[in-house]
Amino acid sequence: DQQVKQNSPSLSVQEGRISILNCDYTNSMFDYFLWYKKYPAEGPTFLISISSIKDKNEDGRFTVFLNKSAKHLSLHIVPSQPGDSAVYFCAASGKGGGSNYKLTFGKGTLLTVNP
Amino acid sequence: NAGVTQTPKFRVLKTGQSMTLLCAQDMNHEYMYWYRQDPGMGLRLIHYSVGEGTTAKGEVPDGYNVSRLKKQNFLLGLESAAPSQTSVYFCASRMDGSGANVLTFGAGSRLTVL
Repeated sequence: DQQVKQNSPSLSVQEGRISILNCDYTNSMFDYFLWYKKYPAEGPTFLISISSIKDKNEDGRFTVFLNKSAKHLSLHIVPSQPGDSAVYFCAASGKGGGSNYKLTFGKGTLLTVNP
Repeated sequence: NAGVTQTPKFRVLKTGQSMTLLCAQDMNHEYMYWYRQDPGMGLRLIHYSVGEGTTAKGEVPDGYNVSRLKKQNFLLGLESAAPSQTSVYFCASRMDGSGANVLTFGAGSRLTVL
């Protein structure tokens, strides 16, 4: 039972355009959502997060939107740059009962930004 | 500032052999985790620890054991390696269970079981 789903295995965009990566979740107890970025042969690195009490969080070129009613979040990258080419993982954690100890990850989306 | 260090980075085993992956963090983090990454499967939690001397099972714990004898170290053991354990293993740590739960990951350990 996959609680965090990234239904697009890959996405290709042109440099300078917007990249939109999507993520759906099923567990209504999740209250923090994070995006991680991973380059080949490196560990994932934290990119941006959002609490369930917010619907938007922005950090430079990166914005995460949360739609709790739809159990959906998205990561927008504007403008996209070739250096953004990486695998992006969506992750979620819960409020308590031991669930906030763990992050549950999606399968990842490979973003390719073409020059 | 090393962060999270994993050793070894690469290892090839034969079926049935045993080995231990070592994770060390120098950030005084309480929580530590072992994940595995497989093509098309994302990151799956194997075991985790919420403090020195504690361990708990994650999503895919079978075939693995862990120990957290010292706060800074988290060991992942394979007692009898199987080809299905061929994967890239990532260790991660974070300060505690509050807030945005940001994990700091190591660079990974690539294990091949023949």
